[in-house]
Amino acid sequence: GAGVSQSPRYKVTKRGQDVALRCDPISGHVSLYWYRQALGQGPEFLTYFNYEAQQDKSGLPNDRFSAERPEGSISTLTIQRTEQRDSAMYRCASSPRTAGSPLHFGNGTRLTVT
Amino acid sequence: GESVGLHLPTLSVQEGDNSIINCAYSNSASDYFIWYKQESGKGPQFIIDIRSNMDKRQGQRVTVLLNKTVKHLSLQIAATQPGDSAVYFCAVLNAGGTSYGKLTFGQGTILTVHP
Repeated sequence: GAGVSQSPRYKVTKRGQDVALRCDPISGHVSLYWYRQALGQGPEFLTYFNYEAQQDKSGLPNDRFSAERPEGSISTLTIQRTEQRDSAMYRCASSPRTAGSPLHFGNGTRLTVT
Repeated sequence: GESVGLHLPTLSVQEGDNSIINCAYSNSASDYFIWYKQESGKGPQFIIDIRSNMDKRQGQRVTVLLNKTVKHLSLQIAATQPGDSAVYFCAVLNAGGTSYGKLTFGQGTILTVHP
């Protein structure tokens, strides 16, 4: 596709449920990033991958959050036992190189935990 | 860790004026800097970048200035247009170590351009 694709666009879930957010990066992009963005704030780093290897997961808030990119392309961010504080916009971005090149962002998944 | 902030959270200008948006960063070893524009309901969109071996870079109507001495970055928009109204973020790349590749964003400045 032409850009980074995220699905679903909106997700409403009940507290305690697990959710899986999907990111389909730009074809051929090596690096894939997950960010979380609160209203009126800059994106907050969660984790990133070079190819299929998770390089840095220091931004994941706790062990309920995990991410994978098993074939170096599509990535899934999973949140287990969701809590209301997990409600946010989750953004995925990809980059053609491992570092030092701009990130291309998707339109995000708006997660609401009720 | 890296912290990135903005001096002014909002900026209101008249169409045709020049706009300057500022950003401060904390890690003197940072070596790559990016400005993003974010419109309502969309993801951040790349505007311009600069590496630490430069102090100025120009694009179409935009200029980024980097002052490594005081760890300050600015985005200048010439002849600002209503379509420039958005939130602008600076982002800084970690210079090395295990977090190389991690991009840290500032809080954002809301630019409003009045016709």
